[in-house]
Amino acid sequence: EVQLVESGGDLVQPGRSLRLSCAASGFTFDDYAMHWVRQAPGKGLEWVSGINWNNSSTRYADSVKGRFTISRDNARNSLYLQMNSLRLEDTAFYFCAKGSTISETYNWFDPWGQGTLVTVSP
Amino acid sequence: DIVMTQSPDSLAVSLGERATINCKSSQSILYSSNNKNYLAWYQQKPGQPPKLLIYWASTRASGVPDRFSGSGSGTDFTLTISSLQAEDVAVYYCQQYYSTHYSFGQGTKLEFK
Repeated sequence: EVQLVESGGDLVQPGRSLRLSCAASGFTFDDYAMHWVRQAPGKGLEWVSGINWNNSSTRYADSVKGRFTISRDNARNSLYLQMNSLRLEDTAFYFCAKGSTISETYNWFDPWGQGTLVTVSP
Repeated sequence: DIVMTQSPDSLAVSLGERATINCKSSQSILYSSNNKNYLAWYQQKPGQPPKLLIYWASTRASGVPDRFSGSGSGTDFTLTISSLQAEDVAVYYCQQYYSTHYSFGQGTKLEFK
């Protein structure tokens, strides 16, 4: 069974940093791109970032570009999101999701983890 | 960026009746080289992550009941639930994957009438 388990969510002050992790199991991790998608409480879905199978290509939403960095460790079957200069509007549940191909382009997302909550507040 | 707009925002349907959700993209998401529409549909129940229902606009994901179907091409798409069951109450999202700046519709909340 494919499983994605996020961790690292917390309450942080604006301007601070946080690192999210996603542990993957049940599939060949380095055969697929991976993504982060967020959802503010009670709101819709926003794609945040994606990474291809071997870390060589990454993409970001304009809202996080220059502040967030996605990475992966295929030896550990893990995906990461380093979030710097956090803003109030970054408050959301952050889901990791498996992409549908080896490239981070042209992906649907399946499955999704349960999510981890990041709260940015003074 | 491609903007995805769903209609309606909410929908109340009786048990056993048909539910129809629409999704419109701001530009065509039909790739002419392979004649595929780069559109997916997801279902999200309260307190749960989204679940993939449909990809390539009309292909059901593994394990998805056949009462769920997707249709449309170019810029206009539809998710249809042929006979609403109790477990189908959820928020439904469309997503385009034509552009590498992926985008979702705002969601349609499906409830019982």
